[in-house]
Amino acid sequence: DQQVKQNSPSLSVQEGRISILNCDYTNSMFDYFLWYKKYPAEGPTFLISISSIKDKNEDGRFTVFLNKSAKHLSLHIVPSQPGDSAVYFCAASGSGGGADGLTFGKGTHLIIQP
Amino acid sequence: DVKVTQSSRYLVKRTGEKVFLECVQDMDHENMFWYRQDPGLGLRLIYFSYDVKMKEKGDIPEGYSVSREKKERFSLILESASTNQTSMYLCASRLGQGAFFGQGTRLTVV
Repeated sequence: DQQVKQNSPSLSVQEGRISILNCDYTNSMFDYFLWYKKYPAEGPTFLISISSIKDKNEDGRFTVFLNKSAKHLSLHIVPSQPGDSAVYFCAASGSGGGADGLTFGKGTHLIIQP
Repeated sequence: DVKVTQSSRYLVKRTGEKVFLECVQDMDHENMFWYRQDPGLGLRLIYFSYDVKMKEKGDIPEGYSVSREKKERFSLILESASTNQTSMYLCASRLGQGAFFGQGTRLTVV
């Protein structure tokens, strides 16, 4: 049973507009959430994270929103740029202090159209 | 910056061969992980280790084993490679909440 779900396999957005990637989770024990970006034939690179005690975290063009009651988080990228075209993975973690593995969604392929 | 290095970017092996994938991290992290990534399936955890000589099964350990003789090195072993183990393999190192990935090894089993 999938504990972290990214229901959109792909998303196409025009350059300069906002990209919104969504993620849902089912395990209420998750208390830390991360977004990774992955280009083909490369390892994922960390983008931004949020702790369950917050509802928003911002870093430059990237903002992550967390709605704990809905078990939903989203990543906003604004403005979207061509280099943002990649697969984005949502990941979640429990309170194991890093000793437990991250649980990943299946990813959303973001395509930025010129 | 944390560096996680996987020994090979691309590997081609024959069915039945024993395959070793090596991963080294340079930040003295206690926790290390092996994932595989397949289209439409995301990243799935194979094995992880929270200390030297300690290992734990992840979600899909069948057909794999691991070795952690030194803190900085975590090896994934395919005892007898099969075609369904063709995949992208990703090693990660973790301290606290963040996790850092290597560049990945694209393994093809023919």
